[in-house]
Amino acid sequence: QQQVKQSPQSLIVQKGGIPIINCAYENTAFDYFPWYQQFPGKGPALLIAIRPDVSEKKEGRFTISFNKSAKQFSLHIMDSQPGDSATYFCAASGSARQLTFGSGTQLTVLP
Amino acid sequence: DAGVTQSPTHLIKTRGQQVTLRCSPKSGHDTVSWYQQALGQGPQFIFQYYEEEERQRGNFPDRFSGHQFPNYSSELNVNALLLGDSALYLCASSLGTREETQYFGPGTRLLVL
Repeated sequence: QQQVKQSPQSLIVQKGGIPIINCAYENTAFDYFPWYQQFPGKGPALLIAIRPDVSEKKEGRFTISFNKSAKQFSLHIMDSQPGDSATYFCAASGSARQLTFGSGTQLTVLP
Repeated sequence: DAGVTQSPTHLIKTRGQQVTLRCSPKSGHDTVSWYQQALGQGPQFIFQYYEEEERQRGNFPDRFSGHQFPNYSSELNVNALLLGDSALYLCASSLGTREETQYFGPGTRLLVL
């Protein structure tokens, strides 16, 4: 029940495309859903996060869509750039604030 | 504003040895969490320290232990190293145990031979 399932495992898009990464969770006690970006050899960097009382949140080119009834959330990257090529992780936490991560999506944006 | 720092950046050990990894939290943060990230996988929660005590623990054996100092910095100790302990060890800091946002350091890459 603690799992967060993430798909796809890898994604290749052209520059300017809109990659979409999906996550699903089971634990209804989760109340915080962040997305992290990780470059090779670096630690994860927080991109954007959402709470379940909101269905959508935008920050710059990054948008989270949240479907509480389906227990799913997704990350959309608008006007993707080669510099966005990285591994993206969704995560979730409850009141204990220990993050449960998805398995990651390796995004490649072609020039 | 200093972010989360970790040392060393890389470490090579042999099976059965012991290792200590270090973390300094982001300025103003008092809570440190440790995660293990195996190659190609998402980070897994090891434990969280606040007020110099272990507050929460993930599904890791007691070979994994930690410590938090009065200045909020933290150490992760792993005893009797196994090949499977090879991973990137990440430290994350936050302000209080209820704060949602965690900031990660660059990690320590541990290789066990």
